[in-house]
Amino acid sequence: DVKVTQSSRYLVKRTGEKVFLECVQDMDHENMFWYRQDPGLGLRLIYFSYDVKMKEKGDIPEGYSVSREKKERFSLILESASTNQTSMYLCASTLVGTGGEQYFGPGTRLTVT
Amino acid sequence: AQSVAQPEDQVNVAEGNPLTVKCTYSVSGNPYLFWYVQYPNRGLQFLLKYITGDNLVKGSYGFEAEFNKSQTSFHLKKPSALVSDSALYFCAVRDGAAGNKLTFGGGTRVLVKP
Repeated sequence: DVKVTQSSRYLVKRTGEKVFLECVQDMDHENMFWYRQDPGLGLRLIYFSYDVKMKEKGDIPEGYSVSREKKERFSLILESASTNQTSMYLCASTLVGTGGEQYFGPGTRLTVT
Repeated sequence: AQSVAQPEDQVNVAEGNPLTVKCTYSVSGNPYLFWYVQYPNRGLQFLLKYITGDNLVKGSYGFEAEFNKSQTSFHLKKPSALVSDSALYFCAVRDGAAGNKLTFGGGTRVLVKP
């Protein structure tokens, strides 16, 4: 089974702090994704990566950056956390050429106070 | 651009009754369609997908979905709902010719009452 893990299940940070969310997958997937989930809005794509050191903006990249130095690891960075970034953050990965179903981590619920 | 609509925020159904969760989509090219389920405090779990072929797709936990090209719909169904099916369900679509980016609907909460 594919396993996608995220570094924290719950995180509380203060406004202005730099926040790192880590995601690791163990199935050699090329593509990795970061989403945020808010009630009524579904999942919205923040950033994605097609391969190591490659990144592309999703639908809501403002206030976020990402890093992918190794194939298995995809990090989401909040440069200066704000209260409107309080949300559930979900990481996913997929293997190219398999139809595109994504495998999700358990999520990190981030609260910015 | 691709988009997904789930017109119902919540669906209530009695245990043992049929369950339907609606989804309509819009893509420029050929649609790849997916259903996911999310249990409380968990990530999303893949249920089923339609890529090509038979319009009726069977997936995990007894769920199935029917692709209807003319109505641009991909409704999720289960003949007999269980209390344990209570969860949040997401429909997603991607354009088959446009990479692996998925666009998700807003989600439908299913409540199955005993």
